[in-house]
Amino acid sequence: DAMVIQNPRYQVTQFGKPVTLSCSQTLNHNVMYWYQQKSSQAPKLLFHYYDKDFNNEADTPDNFQSRRPNTSFCFLDIRSPGLGDAAMYLCATSRDNGGDKNIQYFGAGTRLSVL
Amino acid sequence: AQSVTQPDIHITVSEGASLELRCNYSYGATPYLFWYVQSPGQGLQLLLKYFSGDTLVQGIKGFEAEFKRSQSSFNLRKPSVHWSDAAEYFCAVGADSWVKLQFGAGTQVVVTP
Repeated sequence: DAMVIQNPRYQVTQFGKPVTLSCSQTLNHNVMYWYQQKSSQAPKLLFHYYDKDFNNEADTPDNFQSRRPNTSFCFLDIRSPGLGDAAMYLCATSRDNGGDKNIQYFGAGTRLSVL
Repeated sequence: AQSVTQPDIHITVSEGASLELRCNYSYGATPYLFWYVQSPGQGLQLLLKYFSGDTLVQGIKGFEAEFKRSQSSFNLRKPSVHWSDAAEYFCAVGADSWVKLQFGAGTQVVVTP
């Protein structure tokens, strides 16, 4: 089945130690998104890639970076995680044409803990 | 700017009873409307969507939603809930020309025996 896969499902890191979360997709979608979701809150968009174009949200801290080396993969880098960065990180994909245009499909998420 | 309001933060419903979750949106043009469900520790799963056409849309897991332009609403309904429907439900608004979604704050549904 075509899908969005996030690895790892659970990640524990130390305060200030860089961490990378990964997302891959077999949907061949041209748009990929990273969201941060804290407990009992709506997902908050951090940034998205429209093809190779990176689009950062205005309130996303500089501590968060992203890479998209090819269509299938996208990475979220947290350069110096703080306690406040502990959250669920969700990856999503969509495409800008076709019958399911602009429908976002989500991965299962990575739960990040910061010690 | 788009906005979505889910007035109910938390709803408790008995198994077998009907469920209705409210969603109101603000958007100047024709919206794309979505309902997603999130089980604990999981990602978001699309329940249904409205782009155009018939204002009553059917989704997965026995859910339906009705788009009412005059009320700027897109309420989600299920005639008879199952214990497995306990989850967080998010309404979202998008647009044809906009790849991003605006999510509501979510409604937590608890199902009692």
